[in-house]
Amino acid sequence: AQSVTQLDSHVSVSEGTPVLLRCNYSSSYSPSLFWYVQHPNKGLQLLLKYTSAATLVKGINGFEAEFKKSETSFHLTKPSAHMSDAAEYFCVVRYQTGANNLFFGTGTRLTVIP
Amino acid sequence: DAGVIQSPRHEVTEMGQEVTLRCKPISGHDYLFWYRQTMMRGLELLIYFNNNVPIDDSGMPEDRFSAKMPNASFSTLKIQPSEPRDSAVYFCASSLQGTYTGELFFGEGSRLTVL
Repeated sequence: AQSVTQLDSHVSVSEGTPVLLRCNYSSSYSPSLFWYVQHPNKGLQLLLKYTSAATLVKGINGFEAEFKKSETSFHLTKPSAHMSDAAEYFCVVRYQTGANNLFFGTGTRLTVIP
Repeated sequence: DAGVIQSPRHEVTEMGQEVTLRCKPISGHDYLFWYRQTMMRGLELLIYFNNNVPIDDSGMPEDRFSAKMPNASFSTLKIQPSEPRDSAVYFCASSLQGTYTGELFFGEGSRLTVL
């Protein structure tokens, strides 16, 4: 079955410390992978994407993610959390056959403590 | 350039009333998606259009829901009659098929409360 799993529903970090949001996917195809961020009362915004180029992908606001095929993972990281990073983060998987086959994870709420 | 524009941002209505949500996609985008977000189910794809034509409406919950896209710059999602379980945030998103990268541009959503 094709799916995406976000291992943590809630992550809390102190400002200035590293962020790690975990995502695993299951697929028999070569997927495209995305991280989206949703700030309160806003729509989702693309943070970064992997589409079979470099395995380490850099996104906006200092975020990056590494595609690890052997682990079927696409974890999102940031070296130093900022208060403005507090939001909901969604890992999304897309398969190559059609435009509607986007699988959204259940989301990870990131809290940043001053 | 303006992003995806949705209206209304908030709607409170009583059970049985008709609700119409509106969306203006980004100019030039040829795909339009309607999603529903709830705490219980997360993000669910309801329907999507390509060049104004509905391609997949298998996510539409039931016949009370309908969606139209009369032209490239406007789409509606209608619920008639509405029920309390329809309470959710409804998102519209558009994309450019030419990129074929799955990047969606989301509106800010319409928060629907059915009493």
